[in-house]
Amino acid sequence: EPEVTQTPSHQVTQMGQEVILRCVPISNHLYFYWYRQILGQKVEFLVSFYNNEISEKSEIFDDQFSVERPDGSNFTLKIRSTKLEDSAMYFCASSEWERGEKLFFGSGTQLSVL
Amino acid sequence: KQEVTQIPAALSVPEGENLVLNCSFTDSAIYNLQWFRQDPGKGLTSLLLIQSSQREQTSGRLNASLDKSSGRSTLYIAASQPGDSATYLCAVLDSGNTPLVFGKGTRLSVIA
Repeated sequence: EPEVTQTPSHQVTQMGQEVILRCVPISNHLYFYWYRQILGQKVEFLVSFYNNEISEKSEIFDDQFSVERPDGSNFTLKIRSTKLEDSAMYFCASSEWERGEKLFFGSGTQLSVL
Repeated sequence: KQEVTQIPAALSVPEGENLVLNCSFTDSAIYNLQWFRQDPGKGLTSLLLIQSSQREQTSGRLNASLDKSSGRSTLYIAASQPGDSATYLCAVLDSGNTPLVFGKGTRLSVIA
């Protein structure tokens, strides 16, 4: 069965460093998302992306965050200058057609900022 | 602002028992509701998606119901197995242009 792939599975970085989290959505999907889950807390929406532009973003997704679809398969989340509070599990997700369709999630990248 | 609550936070049952997980949401103007399963250190797997016009959805031993007017959904798991042990998340998509809102989950342990 097709799946969303995320790399790396774990990322450790120093505060202030830039990180790029990578995702390969399911190939025929058109909507892409990033969510995060801080340990012990709810899964939170960060951003959605459609037709090569951001369609929605949350208050968390400030100007330290950016997303990009550099080619036909990859979808990346960049954090320019990481903070301790950015430590979380970051999930990429995709859906086939439109908002409201079933979401398929990747297995996540555990980001630890020291 | 939509809030999603799941009760109980944790549940431990013996193998073979039928069980019900509860989800409530504050704003009944939803587009759909999804139940996900999350295994430790893993991603989320969509189990069932109920559209706002539907009352229930079934997949194998799982049955999810939706009562939009009262802001409630339940996930019924029949004949539970140790492999069902995981955290079950409820998530709501509002009718407006807002993202999926998750509950905190119910951590289920099925004891052999």
